[in-house]
Formats: sequence, C-alpha cells, structure tokens
Amino acid sequence: QEQLQESGPGLVKPSETLSLTCTVSGGSVSSGSYYWGWIRQPPGKGLEWIGNIYYSGRTYYSPSLKGRVTISIDTSKNQFSLNLNSVSAADTAVYYCARRKAAAEFYCFDQWGQGTLVTVSS
Amino acid sequence: DIQMTQSPSTLSASVGDTVTITCRASQSISNWLAWYQQRPGRAPKLLISKAAHLERGVPSRFSGSGYDTEFTLTISSLQPDDFATYYCHRYEGDSDTFGPGTKLEI
Repeated sequence: QEQLQESGPGLVKPSETLSLTCTVSGGSVSSGSYYWGWIRQPPGKGLEWIGNIYYSGRTYYSPSLKGRVTISIDTSKNQFSLNLNSVSAADTAVYYCARRKAAAEFYCFDQWGQGTLVTVSS
Repeated sequence: DIQMTQSPSTLSASVGDTVTITCRASQSISNWLAWYQQRPGRAPKLLISKAAHLERGVPSRFSGSGYDTEFTLTISSLQPDDFATYYCHRYEGDSDTFGPGTKLEI
C-alpha cells in the first residue's frame, strides 16, 4: 500500500515562503500512472485544490494561487514539494499531499497523506 | 472557471436512514466527478469516481449518479461511521475543483 507523508515547518511568518515536502513510500513518483497533488483545508472549512505535478515535471496550478505557488518533483528522493510565497494568515490550513490517477475519466485523488497544519503568524 | 455547489450544506439523519446529497456544476462536466468522505481530523477518502464508479472496498450502500451538471450521492441504511462531511470533486486533465461540502450529522 503506497503511503504519502507531508513534512515541513508548522509555523511560517507573514510574507515569507511556505515550503512542504511529500515523501512517497511503497510506490514511485516516477510512475506515469499518477499525478501528484497538493490540497489544503483552512480550519473548519472545505477543501481547496492547489496544484498537481506529473513525473515529467509538467505542473498545473489553481488560478487563484497561480503566481505564488510552485510545485516540484525529485524522482531520486521519491518526493514532491510545494512552495507558496508571500503568505498571509489566509494561508493557514491543513496541507495534504495526494496521489491523483492519470487515467482519463478517473482523475481522482485516491491516496492522501495525513495532512500537516501550517499556521501563518508572526 | 467551473464552480461547484452542494446541497444541503448540513443534513441531519438517523442510523438506518437513506440520504441523498446533490452536487451541481456551473457548466457541463460530463461524468467527471468524484465523491469523498472526510471524518473529523482525517484525510478525505475517495468513495466514487466517474460519477457512479464505486471504489474498491467502499460499501455498496454508497451509490452515485448523474451526468452533465447535476450529480447525487446516496447513502442507504446509514451506519454510525457514515456521519462525516462529504465533498464532490470535479476534475479534468489540468485542473480540479472541490464542492463546499455537506456535513451529515446525527
């Protein structure tokens, strides 16, 4: 069973950059069968898609965050990462990494990390 | 951008009941829609993909239907574990959008 695990600072100062890494075990980020994505959830609110990356490095970002977000992939470490710059309190959320099927008509997130809370505060 | 809505936002029910949650898209999405269950403090769990395809291991009391802009998730014979928040998710090759969620409470 493939597992995903987020890691990174739990506290980030306003205007700085939020950086998280997702480590995949039991599988490979080089698999062409999946995209790798980031989703966040502010406390008490719903899910917000941030973006996805394919093993080739091709990225897709939410229009609402495009310009502040960068997702990258490191196949040698079996990891993918999220950078979100110029953060504010509105970026406080639980951040999830997830595996997204790459089969047409089934582009769903079928495996999720446990999530990590990132708080933006001085 | 395609917007997703869900109704109701909160649904009260009892063990044994059958409930239906509706998800609507602002424009046609064919049947490219998934449903997730999220229990408090947990990551979402994929239940249904392609509007009606039940994921492996998901109980058959969960069912999905719909096409174009209107979709439903039906849960029959509610069990205690089913009281959670449910999200629809519209997907295509290069983008994703989640609905706002429906909280199913006892």
